[in-house]
Parts: sequence; structure tokens; C-alpha cells
Amino acid sequence: DGGITQSPKYLFRKEGQNVTLSCEQNLNHDAMYWYRQDPGQGLRLIYYSQIVNDFQKGDIAEGYSVSREKKESFPLTVTSAQKNPTAFYLCASSMGQNYFYEQYFGPGTRLTVT
Amino acid sequence: KQEVTQIPAALSVPEGENLVLNCSFTDSAIYNLQWFRQDPGKGLTSLLLIQSSQREQTSGRLNASLDKSSGRSTLYIAASQPGDSATYLCAVLSGSARQLTFGSGTQLTVLP
Repeated sequence: DGGITQSPKYLFRKEGQNVTLSCEQNLNHDAMYWYRQDPGQGLRLIYYSQIVNDFQKGDIAEGYSVSREKKESFPLTVTSAQKNPTAFYLCASSMGQNYFYEQYFGPGTRLTVT
Repeated sequence: KQEVTQIPAALSVPEGENLVLNCSFTDSAIYNLQWFRQDPGKGLTSLLLIQSSQREQTSGRLNASLDKSSGRSTLYIAASQPGDSATYLCAVLSGSARQLTFGSGTQLTVLP
């Protein structure tokens, strides 16, 4: 089955620790995205990547980092500099950034930092 | 900066009723608009994508319309079922960076 996988589903970390969230897709999509969702709110864009070895900051990139070494993978690191990291993180992909391409979403990772 | 608003935030209807969810956006220069469904604790499922040149899209019991000039879209759900209970999000693709801007969603409950 083609799709987007995110692991783990739940992640718990102590404050001050960096943590990396995994996102893998087998849809052969060029573009990948990371979003953050807080309770009762819509999604906000953290980072996106249109091609391998290239990525751009979204609206709320501070305290996060990404890499895109392979087309299939776009891991997100939540650093200790992120002031309020507890949230639901969603990864998405699309064939490209052209306007007629839908974005497809993974199941999400819920991160809790205490 | 693009802003997307969805009203109401929550809606409860009896099974079988037809219903309309609303979405408005501040900048009419959009490329497309997508409606998504999100079940509790899950990712998003794309329901309908309307290009800026289109007026509506239909899929089964769902019909989405787009009035770009007034900055509005509606999602019409016919003959609602308890399985339709979920949060419905709309998002618009706009700007030079072609980013999706999301509304905060409408939480729909269909009562059996």
C-alpha cells in the first residue's frame, strides 16, 4: 500500500532534550511538509521541501530543524530551543508544489514534553 | 497575510439531515481550496480539491463550492450519517510560496 508513515505515534520527552520525528512516504512524491496542530486550532506549517537536499522555512520554523537526504524521508527534529513543543505533528506530501496537486497526510505523532 | 475562518466551530445534527459547513478566506488570490476530514487523534483525509478556476466539486454525498471573489467556500453534506462525525478543515493554497493556510475546523457530530 502506498502512503505516508510517521513514527512513533506517541512520544514523550523531558524538557531540554532534542527529539526527532520520522516521516517516510512511498508515493514517489517530490514535495514534503511538516505541520504542527495545537488543540482546537488549524495546522501551521513548520518546514517544507520541494526536492532532495533543499528545504524552506514555514511560518513557525524557530526551534525546529529538518533534513531531506532521500526523496522518501523528511525527518523533523524538535530542539530544546522550541519553547512550547507539546503538540500533534503531521507530515504531508504532494507530487509537487504546483497548484493542482493535493497534499496527503500521515497519521501524526503526538509529542509530549514535560 | 492569508487568514481562514470556519464557522461554526461545532455543529450537532440528527442523522439524515442535510448540512452546510462554511469557510471564508481574506485574500481571494488563491490557487486552490481543499476540504479535509480529521478523526480524533488521526491525520487528515483529503475530501475535495477545488481549483481557483472551478466553482464546485462533488464526491458522493459531498459537494463543495467556491466563490473566490467573495472569499467563501461551503461544504454541503447530504443525508448525514453518524459515520460523518469528525472535524472538517478547509485550507487554501496561496502566496508566492504556495503554502496551505488552514482554518481551525468545524467539529461535526451526527446523532443517531
